[in-house]
Amino acid sequence: GPKVLQIPSHQIIDMGQMVTLNCDPVSNHLYFYWYKQILGQQMEFLVNFYNGKVMEKSKLFKDQFSVERPDGSYFTLKIQPTALEDSAVYFCASSLTGGVAEQFFGPGTRLTVL
Amino acid sequence: SQWGEENLQALSIQEGEDVTMNCSYKTYTTVVHWYRQDSGRGPALIILIRSNEREKRSGRLRATLDTSSQSSSLSITAAQCEDTAVYFCATEPSSSFSKLVFGQGTSLSVVP
Repeated sequence: GPKVLQIPSHQIIDMGQMVTLNCDPVSNHLYFYWYKQILGQQMEFLVNFYNGKVMEKSKLFKDQFSVERPDGSYFTLKIQPTALEDSAVYFCASSLTGGVAEQFFGPGTRLTVL
Repeated sequence: SQWGEENLQALSIQEGEDVTMNCSYKTYTTVVHWYRQDSGRGPALIILIRSNEREKRSGRLRATLDTSSQSSSLSITAAQCEDTAVYFCATEPSSSFSKLVFGQGTSLSVVP
């Protein structure tokens, strides 16, 4: 089936540094998402993105977070600067349409902030 | 059951048994997604049930939805070892667009 890829699979950085998480969504999909999952807890919505714009973001999407998809390349989540509480697995997802639609998830990027 | 402040629930059953996982949700939704997540992988949609469907089947899976009680269930018939995974329900709050709100998840272990 359709696959979403995420690069890297693991990232370890020092607190205060910048990190960029990359997502290669399903090729014809138009809606993109980031979710955050802390070990042992539920997955939580961060942000969705369509037509070059953020449509909705949650309280977890702090000012230090930003997303973009320049020229149809990777959909990225940038955190600058990082904090200890940003340690989690970040999942990217994409869907062909908005609203009630299947979201296809990538395998996640495990971010560890030291 | 999933939702609220509950910790991740863990279930262990024998191969061949039937199992039902429950989910209750807080916000109004017209659809409930059920995802499974295998260890080290992202969630994958296994069944989606809409508010105009009280029951939906897909192979050995059966989902129900009761909008009056804001609850949904996922049943697996004759569970197999490969059904071992974490199962999440997720809703799409009507106040939002294209946003999934996940439950805590149920960790299912099917042993031979």
